[in-house]
Amino acid sequence: QVHLQESGPGLVKPSETLSLSCTVSGGSISSGGYYWNWIRQRPGKGLEWIGYIHYSGSTYYNPSLKSRATISRDTSKNHFSLKLTSVAAADTALYYCARQFMDPSKGDWFDLWGQGTLVTVSS
Amino acid sequence: SSELTQDPAVSVALGQTVRITCQGDSLRTYHASWYQQRPGQAPILVIYGTNYRPSGIPDRFSGSRSGNTASLTIIGAQAEDEADYFCSSRDSSGNHLWVFGGGTKLTVL
Repeated sequence: QVHLQESGPGLVKPSETLSLSCTVSGGSISSGGYYWNWIRQRPGKGLEWIGYIHYSGSTYYNPSLKSRATISRDTSKNHFSLKLTSVAAADTALYYCARQFMDPSKGDWFDLWGQGTLVTVSS
Repeated sequence: SSELTQDPAVSVALGQTVRITCQGDSLRTYHASWYQQRPGQAPILVIYGTNYRPSGIPDRFSGSRSGNTASLTIIGAQAEDEADYFCSSRDSSGNHLWVFGGGTKLTVL
């Protein structure tokens, strides 16, 4: 059974870079046609899609993040990572990693999620 | 980007039927998916492709769509169904961008 687990610092200073990892167990991130995503939930707000890395290695990001986000992967460790630069208090959120599948007729869905990790941006 | 709107809270008596709705322009074109999230736990996919149920999800959960509104219906709500439910779809632009509803807290009385 595939399991996703986020990890990383819980506190980041303003203007610095937020770095998180998502370790995937029970399945390979470089096979199966899946997309590996980062999604966040800011306090009192709904969920916001950040971006994904495809099993092929291609990436796509939410334009609202103005190129601050980078998602990469380490297939030898079977994990993928998020870096968000120049963070501010508005980036304080619960960050989730999630697996996504896209089907031509049934659309797209996030079929597995991690528990989430809280990141606070504060000096 | 487009938005998805959900009622913040809904309640249902034990064993009764409840419908949770999600409204947005993107739903006229793209399928909705629905997620259940209990406090402190990871979200769980309960409906995809508007009305498909993943294996392991009880058949009391069903999904539908009418116009710009997607619905999640629970027939015979159980105590363990008490949770937050949120919807998602691709953004109406058609680009690789996904949007989520604000979530509905379901209370089972």
